Amino acid sequence: KAGVTQTPRYLIKTRGQQVTLSCSPISGHRSVSWYQQTPGQGLQFLFEYFSETQRNKGNFPGRFSGRQFSNSRSEMNVSTLELGDSALYLCASSLEGWGTGELFFGEGSRLTVL
Amino acid sequence: ELKVEQNPLFLSMQEGKNYTIYCNYSTTSDRLYWYRQDPGKSLESLFVLLSNGAVKQEGRLMASLDTKARLSTLHITAAVHDLSATYFCAVTTGNQFYFGTGTSLTVIP
Repeated sequence: KAGVTQTPRYLIKTRGQQVTLSCSPISGHRSVSWYQQTPGQGLQFLFEYFSETQRNKGNFPGRFSGRQFSNSRSEMNVSTLELGDSALYLCASSLEGWGTGELFFGEGSRLTVL
Repeated sequence: ELKVEQNPLFLSMQEGKNYTIYCNYSTTSDRLYWYRQDPGKSLESLFVLLSNGAVKQEGRLMASLDTKARLSTLHITAAVHDLSATYFCAVTTGNQFYFGTGTSLTVIP
C-alpha cells in the first residue's frame, strides 16, 4: 500500500516568490492536513481538507492557502515568501480526519527561502 | 489557545534503563497522539489515546492518558539504541491540532 507522497522534496526560493507544494494521500483517504515544522516554532497545524473543503484552519496568515482536488490530492501555496517561511512542510492523510484516529505523514517538503 | 508541554526536552539514557516522558496540556482535548521522528525523517504514528485511563503498549513503549490531570505519559522500558529519536505528543481540540515541543531521546549503549 503506497504511503503519502509529497513533492517536491526540496526546493529553494527567494523572498517575494511563491511556492506550491503537492501531497498525494493514501488511496481511499479523504482527509489531508498540512503542518509546518521549524526549529523555533516546532510543529504547527496549517489546515485540513476533507472532500475538497477546508474543514479546519490554524493560525497562519492569508499568504498560506491550500486546496484539495476530487481525487483527494492536495496542494498548499505560500505567496510572497518570507525568510521565516523556511521550514519542513508535512502533510498527513487519514481516512476521515482527526476524528478517526491515526494520521499518516509524508516525508515532507523542505523549503528554503533566501 | 491550548498549550502542550513536554518534559524533558532532552533525555539521554543508558540501554536497559527505564524512563518516562510527560505530556501536559492546558485545556480539555478530544484525543491525544504520540509520534516518533527520526532525524531528517517524517513523523511515525505510535499511539492514539481516546479516553481517560486509556493505556496502549507496543514493544518497549507504553502510553497512558489521564484526562482529569490533562497528562499523558510515554514510558520506555529497557531502552535500546533503536529508540533514539524525537518523540512528540499532540492533542486535538475542536478544530485545532497542537503539538508538544518534542523530547529528543538518545539511548547510549
